[in-house]
Amino acid sequence: DTGVSQDPRHKITKRGQNVTFRCDPISEHNRLYWYRQTLGQGPEFLTYFQNEAQLEKSRLLSDRFSAERPKGSFSTLEIQRTEQGDSAMYLCASSPGVGSNIQYFGAGTRLSVL
Amino acid sequence: AQSVTQLDSQVPVFEEAPVELRCNYSSSVSVYLFWYVQYPNQGLQLLLKYLSGSTLVKGINGFEAEFNKSQTSFHLRKPSVHISDTAEYFCAVRVGETSGSRLTFGEGTQLTVNP
Repeated sequence: DTGVSQDPRHKITKRGQNVTFRCDPISEHNRLYWYRQTLGQGPEFLTYFQNEAQLEKSRLLSDRFSAERPKGSFSTLEIQRTEQGDSAMYLCASSPGVGSNIQYFGAGTRLSVL
Repeated sequence: AQSVTQLDSQVPVFEEAPVELRCNYSSSVSVYLFWYVQYPNQGLQLLLKYLSGSTLVKGINGFEAEFNKSQTSFHLRKPSVHISDTAEYFCAVRVGETSGSRLTFGEGTQLTVNP
């Protein structure tokens, strides 16, 4: 296991720009989750995939956010027209699948919107 | 709805002292509870979990937690801490009945171990 990999680790962007983050889950993990963590807070759920199907989305995921997992392997999270309030750590986690309750987290992508 | 409250935002202790990080939960369905640790600029690492069975759960790095259903608590303990235990600790509860359900996290407890 190489662990959950996220790219980039850091992203600095100007307000109004679009950004895209990538997450590579642990091999053969069919569940993939995105969370957002702001400074001093615990992670908050954004969305969840089972293979390529997006099964749940949080109300935190506004229209400017979109996530995909086209082939059931890696996933991307795109934020359009970034706002300063989008500044946060974006965490990805994966889980083996049916019967497993454990989520394995990546190191995260820290987004700073100037 | 499931939720988690971590009762202390910061816990300073001296090296080799015992520590307890407190977590209370609310849940109307089956309870699955977790403790994660986060070191600076890193993701979350699972310390331990309670799914069923024995209420005393042992995890990595010498940590343990006790599930107390009557008090709806899941406090994390370590009998003797090290400088390297300095980190942010998060309690989490699984939301929903299926094994793939998302986690709801508490706001975290910053443990600082001083020499």
